[in-house]
Amino acid sequence: AQSVTQPDIHITVSEGASLELRCNYSYGATPYLFWYVQSPGQGLQLLLKYFSGDTLVQGIKGFEAEFKRSQSSFNLRKPSVHWSDAAEYFCAVGALTGTASKLTFGTGTRLQVTL
Amino acid sequence: GAVVSQHPSRVICKSGTSVKIECRSLDFQATTMFWYRQFPKKSLMLMATSNEGSKATYEQGVEKDKFLINHASLTLSTLTVTSAHPEDSSFYICSAYRETEAFFGQGTRLTVV
Repeated sequence: AQSVTQPDIHITVSEGASLELRCNYSYGATPYLFWYVQSPGQGLQLLLKYFSGDTLVQGIKGFEAEFKRSQSSFNLRKPSVHWSDAAEYFCAVGALTGTASKLTFGTGTRLQVTL
Repeated sequence: GAVVSQHPSRVICKSGTSVKIECRSLDFQATTMFWYRQFPKKSLMLMATSNEGSKATYEQGVEKDKFLINHASLTLSTLTVTSAHPEDSSFYICSAYRETEAFFGQGTRLTVV
């Protein structure tokens, strides 16, 4: 069965500092990986996704993530955090199919940004 | 980008009543939609897969008679929480796929009193 682990429940960074959110996955085949962001009381917005090709993927809002198969990781990074980045971040893994697939989510990391 | 709309965004109902939540894909057709439930400070748990024109597929442990799903058209799936109880209070989110990307609704906060 597929699973996702986000080891950090809560992270606090200063505005302008760099950020790395950790994500480890367990999946029997080539994974289809995602990072989503959720603001309080809202749905999820896709930041970026990976399913093949370059292992360093660029997303929206200046985020990037690197797929490392040997470490089963897909960590999210941002070189300089903005106060508006404060939110909940979810890593997810899905089946590598061409159509709709079930997503398994990590437990999320809450990001707090101090000014 | 593709838009998925959920309605209502918030609902409060009395224990024992039923509540219907709608999930619409506004600018694309979705043969498959997914319903998730999110507990406070917890992750999203998949409840069921909604397939247009056929029965929904429920995840293990999800009561199909309590959480009725209907996917009558390519743009609408509904989740009805029947005989709601306080333990059904939660945040429910739907998603629909366009090509290989999942788009999520804004969620529905259900409070059963």
